[in-house]
Amino acid sequence: DQQVKQNSPSLSVQEGRISILNCDYTNSMFDYFLWYKKYPAEGPTFLISISSIKDKNEDGRFTVFLNKSAKHLSLHIVPSQPGDSAVYFCAASEDNQGGKLIFGQGTELSVKP
Amino acid sequence: DVKVTQSSRYLVKRTGEKVFLECVQDMDHENMFWYRQDPGLGLRLIYFSYDVKMKEKGDIPEGYSVSREKKERFSLILESASTNQTSMYLCATYSWPLEAFFGQGTRLTVV
Repeated sequence: DQQVKQNSPSLSVQEGRISILNCDYTNSMFDYFLWYKKYPAEGPTFLISISSIKDKNEDGRFTVFLNKSAKHLSLHIVPSQPGDSAVYFCAASEDNQGGKLIFGQGTELSVKP
Repeated sequence: DVKVTQSSRYLVKRTGEKVFLECVQDMDHENMFWYRQDPGLGLRLIYFSYDVKMKEKGDIPEGYSVSREKKERFSLILESASTNQTSMYLCATYSWPLEAFFGQGTRLTVV
């Protein structure tokens, strides 16, 4: 059973507009959430994270929102750039699991010039 | 700068072969993880280790084993490769707070 779900396999956005990537989870014990970005033929790289005690975390063009009651998080990229084109994975962890991350299926973002 | 190095970028093996995927990290981390990435399934955890000689099963350990003889090295072993093990394999280690550092990945094809 998929505990972390990204229901959109792909997303296409025009350069300069906002990209919104969504992620839902089922395990209410998750208390730390992360987004990773992956280019083809490379390993994923860490993008941004959020603790369950917060509802928003911002880093430059990237903002992650957490809605605990809905078990939903989203990543906003504003403005989107062609270099943002990649696969984005959300991941979640329970504090007592010592780094064991559960990943979603990934969403492939394509930013068109 | 954390470095996680996987020994091969691309591998082609025959069904039934024993396959070794090697991973080395230079950050003196105790934790190391092996994932596989498949389209539509994301990254799935195969095995992980929090210490030398220690190993824990992840979500999909069947058909795999691991070896952790030294802190910096974590090997994934396919005892008898099968075509359904064709995948991208990713090794990772974590700093707190759970910022994972991944290797570049090994694209394994079993024919």
